[in-house]
Amino acid sequence: QIQLVQSGGEVKKPGASVKVSCETSGYTFITYTINWVRQAPGQGLEWLGWISPYTGNTNYAQTFQGRVTMTTDTSTNTAYLELRGLRSDDTAIYYCARDSIGWFDSWGQGTLVTVS
Amino acid sequence: SALTQPASVSGSPGQSITISCTGTSSDVGSSTLLSWYQQHPGSAPKLILYEGTKRPSGLSNRFSGSKSGSTASLTISGLQAEDEAHYYCCAYADGFNFVVFGGGTKLTVL
Repeated sequence: QIQLVQSGGEVKKPGASVKVSCETSGYTFITYTINWVRQAPGQGLEWLGWISPYTGNTNYAQTFQGRVTMTTDTSTNTAYLELRGLRSDDTAIYYCARDSIGWFDSWGQGTLVTVS
Repeated sequence: SALTQPASVSGSPGQSITISCTGTSSDVGSSTLLSWYQQHPGSAPKLILYEGTKRPSGLSNRFSGSKSGSTASLTISGLQAEDEAHYYCCAYADGFNFVVFGGGTKLTVL
């Protein structure tokens, strides 16, 4: 079955960078865009952007332009999210999600990033 | 900015509830790529509707969706205790250039 398995939680100091991985299985990795979504404690969902594993094209939300980089490794079917210049309000659970051309049909379990 | 949803709704078992999701002509009003997600505490979101009205395979037909103008709606009929969760609407807009979520609605089954 389709699985997206994310890396473990991270604790970072303000100003540092974090890189979260999302290893996929159960489908052809390059045929679906991967999106990243985060959720601050007790808050709603916030979209960070997407990456196409097939083309390498990315589209980042304006809020994160200049601070975020999304990449993929097609040899391991893994997507990565790097966020730089961490601030306390970046503390959140970060999710990867498979994009079935306009909706997110499978999600990773989430990775808690704590900035403190 | 985020789509507008009521912060909370409630209903008794067996009843129906509707959650609204209001955007603008730039997102909800112009997008056919509207989706809804259910999130239980401590879990990742789960897709329950896509393209506004379609259910993923295996999902209960108690969940239905509609849209009028710039407002999308999720209706859950025959409420069950397991439906108690947060619900989020989502619009994919501007030719896949951006995604916006609603602020989320907490459903309480009384």
